[in-house]
Amino acid sequence: KAGVTQTPRYLIKTRGQQVTLSCSPISGHRSVSWYQQTPGQGLQFLFEYFSETQRNKGNFPGRFSGRQFSNSRSEMNVSTLELGDSALYLCASSLARGASSYEQYFGPGTRLTVT
Amino acid sequence: AQSVTQLGSHVSVSEGALVLLRCNYSSSVPPYLFWYVQYPNQGLQLLLKYTTGATLVKGINGFEAEFKKSETSFHLTKPSAHMSDAAEYFCAVTPSGAGSYQLTFGKGTKLSVIP
Repeated sequence: KAGVTQTPRYLIKTRGQQVTLSCSPISGHRSVSWYQQTPGQGLQFLFEYFSETQRNKGNFPGRFSGRQFSNSRSEMNVSTLELGDSALYLCASSLARGASSYEQYFGPGTRLTVT
Repeated sequence: AQSVTQLGSHVSVSEGALVLLRCNYSSSVPPYLFWYVQYPNQGLQLLLKYTTGATLVKGINGFEAEFKKSETSFHLTKPSAHMSDAAEYFCAVTPSGAGSYQLTFGKGTKLSVIP
């Protein structure tokens, strides 16, 4: 079974621009979560989607948004990019059902650099 | 509210020696606990989890961890370190039974294995 895929893997943007990152979960997984990883703040939860609905949201400004499609694929968008948004953005998917419901499987991440 | 503390941002062991990575948590409700490993330029891989049942859990690559409620700890161990174990390890927690897939991570411990 294919793992979680994220595109693109690397991205360079300029301050003030916006960016959209994509995540395809493991087949059959219904929950998709997004995390930001930086050297200073570590791994921080952005939001989680289940059946196209945002169930949880972390403590990030409204410039960070996301959505989930009917096939469970998810996108996250960051508008008006700031230098501090440079990070590795990780997507994780979960079956969200049964004994394995809390296991999250991570993709390789998208490395975003804002200049 | 939850938090995770990993003691030691960097741990070095000799090849063949015991690996012990420490994790303490704080949670207002019974938690589910996880250990993840991250190799350079990759996403996170689930090593093991504790949800319910046996407090000593075994994971992949010979790692195991013991949930000690009285000590609010979930330390990761491996009897004999291999060079391939060199990576960064993250302890994470999520509240049990809340239907939440929001993981709170520790700051990580970078493990070096000396030949």
